[in-house]
Amino acid sequence: DQQVKQNSPSLSVQEGRISILNCDYTNSMFDYFLWYKKYPAEGPTFLISISSIKDKNEDGRFTVFLNKSAKHLSLHIVPSQPGDSAVYFCAATVTGTASKLTFGTGTRLQVTL
Amino acid sequence: DAGITQSPRYKITETGRQVTLMCHQTWSHSYMFWYRQDLGHGLRLIYYSAAADITDKGEVPDGYVVSRSKTENFPLTLESATRSQTSVYFCASSESGVGTDTQYFGPGTRLTVL
Repeated sequence: DQQVKQNSPSLSVQEGRISILNCDYTNSMFDYFLWYKKYPAEGPTFLISISSIKDKNEDGRFTVFLNKSAKHLSLHIVPSQPGDSAVYFCAATVTGTASKLTFGTGTRLQVTL
Repeated sequence: DAGITQSPRYKITETGRQVTLMCHQTWSHSYMFWYRQDLGHGLRLIYYSAAADITDKGEVPDGYVVSRSKTENFPLTLESATRSQTSVYFCASSESGVGTDTQYFGPGTRLTVL
């Protein structure tokens, strides 16, 4: 039972264009959402997060949007750069539950020249 | 080295053998976690620890044992390895148990069970 789903295993985007990575969740108790980025042979690194009391959070080129009614969040990267090529994991948690994260299956983003 | 380290980075073992994966962090973070990453499953929590001598099960704990005698170390032991435990294992730590607290991941250990 996958509570956090990333239905696109891969995405290819041209440099300079927008990358949109999607994530859906089923557990309505989740109230905090995160995106992690992972390069090959490295551990995931935290990218950006959003609380359920917000519908948007922005950090430089990265923006996360949350649609609670649809149980959907998305990560926008504008403009995309070759260094953004990585696997992106969406994660969710219920705050107050010992930081236990539930991860999605990941989306591999390739930014082409 | 500062941060969170894992050893070994790569390990090949045989079915039935005991294997221990090591995790060390230098931040004195209270919480530590073990995840496994498998294709089609993302990262799944195996065990976590809130402090020295306090551990609890995650989503997929069967076949694994953990201990935490010191704050900085959190070894993961496969008592009798099986092929289904072939995976990439990540250790992580966070300063507190608050759900919004960032988890910092180690570089991973790729384990192959033959």
